[in-house]
Amino acid sequence: LAKTTQPISMDSYEGQEVNITCSHNNIATNDYITWYQQFPSQGPRFIIQGYKTKVTNEVASLFIPADRKSSTLSLPRVSLSDTAVYYCLVGISGGYNKLIFGAGTRLAVHP
Amino acid sequence: SAVISQKPSRDICQRGTSLTIQCQVDSQVTMMFWYRQQPGQSLTLIATANQGSEATYESGFVIDKFPISRPNLTFSTLTVSNMSPEDSSIYLCSVESGGANEQYFGPGTRLTVT
Repeated sequence: LAKTTQPISMDSYEGQEVNITCSHNNIATNDYITWYQQFPSQGPRFIIQGYKTKVTNEVASLFIPADRKSSTLSLPRVSLSDTAVYYCLVGISGGYNKLIFGAGTRLAVHP
Repeated sequence: SAVISQKPSRDICQRGTSLTIQCQVDSQVTMMFWYRQQPGQSLTLIATANQGSEATYESGFVIDKFPISRPNLTFSTLTVSNMSPEDSSIYLCSVESGGANEQYFGPGTRLTVT
């Protein structure tokens, strides 16, 4: 399982776009990139997953360059409720797969 | 998606005792996972529980300390045995949705050992 590196913390203000970059230099050919969000006193919640280029859903966008050695989670127009820890994980999609969580990025959104 | 409940939501236990945490899923799943999250830290995988077979433990976790049961496809228990204050943590169970690297997590059990 490829190791991931993310910033420990980030600060933003309401209405701004937030981009969190994750490095995964040793990503394997079959690995997907997945992001989870965790609010205090709750379990992590799946946000988005991608393999290459760009993926967008109702919550976020995920940008993955051609070499796939990094990825960027983009949260448009954040609000106070987006304050959470965001985890980047890399692993094989499909079937049984254990998740190995890194340290995550603690995002604080200010009024 | 899957809805997961855990019992108890929190407990305060004395050193040397054991606590069994229950995890219930609203649909049948093959794999269930147990994690530990210490205050302010990331999640650490304890073990993977496959119905009908012995749980697979990660490095640093042993069956004698964290016995797991998986009697059917919707239920699992994790027991924290002979507890010490170092076992104070949040324990979470999760399940994997079919065919995707997407897991659903329970709300967690906050354990305090005094």
